[in-house]
Amino acid sequence: DSGVTQTPKHLITATGQRVTLRCSPRSGDLSVYWYQQSLDQGLQFLIQYYNGEERAKGNILERFSAQQFPDLHSELNLSSLELGDSALYFCASSVLASGGETQYFGPGTRLLVL
Amino acid sequence: GENVEQHPSTLSVQEGDSAVIKCTYSDSASNYFPWYKQELGKRPQLIIDIRSNVGEKKDQRIAVTLNKTAKHFSLHITETQPEDSAVYFCAATSGFGNEKLTFGTGTRLTIIP
Repeated sequence: DSGVTQTPKHLITATGQRVTLRCSPRSGDLSVYWYQQSLDQGLQFLIQYYNGEERAKGNILERFSAQQFPDLHSELNLSSLELGDSALYFCASSVLASGGETQYFGPGTRLLVL
Repeated sequence: GENVEQHPSTLSVQEGDSAVIKCTYSDSASNYFPWYKQELGKRPQLIIDIRSNVGEKKDQRIAVTLNKTAKHFSLHITETQPEDSAVYFCAATSGFGNEKLTFGTGTRLTIIP
């Protein structure tokens, strides 16, 4: 157990819908990262937050947005869902935002868009 | 931005033999290189990492080597066991205002009993 939690574990929804994925980092970690992993694909970095502020952006679609709250948990919002958005979404956390730190991954949320 | 290439994409080795996975990176400013292991349906877990001021690091049966000049790093697993079967990802980051990890495409390692 990495100490990073994600809810829900599984999510099934329809095209055009909107969902929210939630991540709670390890106690003491200020940085949260979001990744998308499609079937048999690698990990694609989406976005990073550090202490409530956006820190780095990756290949995140405009239909996706995220935020980090004062208690440091983070939410990833996916809207106007398409079939291709079906994937495993991981969040990870680290103490700081230096990049050269260990990132601890949560168990992931498996999203299926029908 | 950083680009990480990983080879091979699949690797099968006999139990007890060694496995080697190689990665190359493009950004000479990269200074942190972790390796993650991901079992089917589970989270990626860090197994070893190396920083650019070190050429080699070892942890029991796992070792990582780094060649900064050639911009490549490798994962070595010795005396492989069935539980080593998983997908392994390398990654790189510079950490200087660019904190995101860039991952390789993964290597599916299968240990044959």
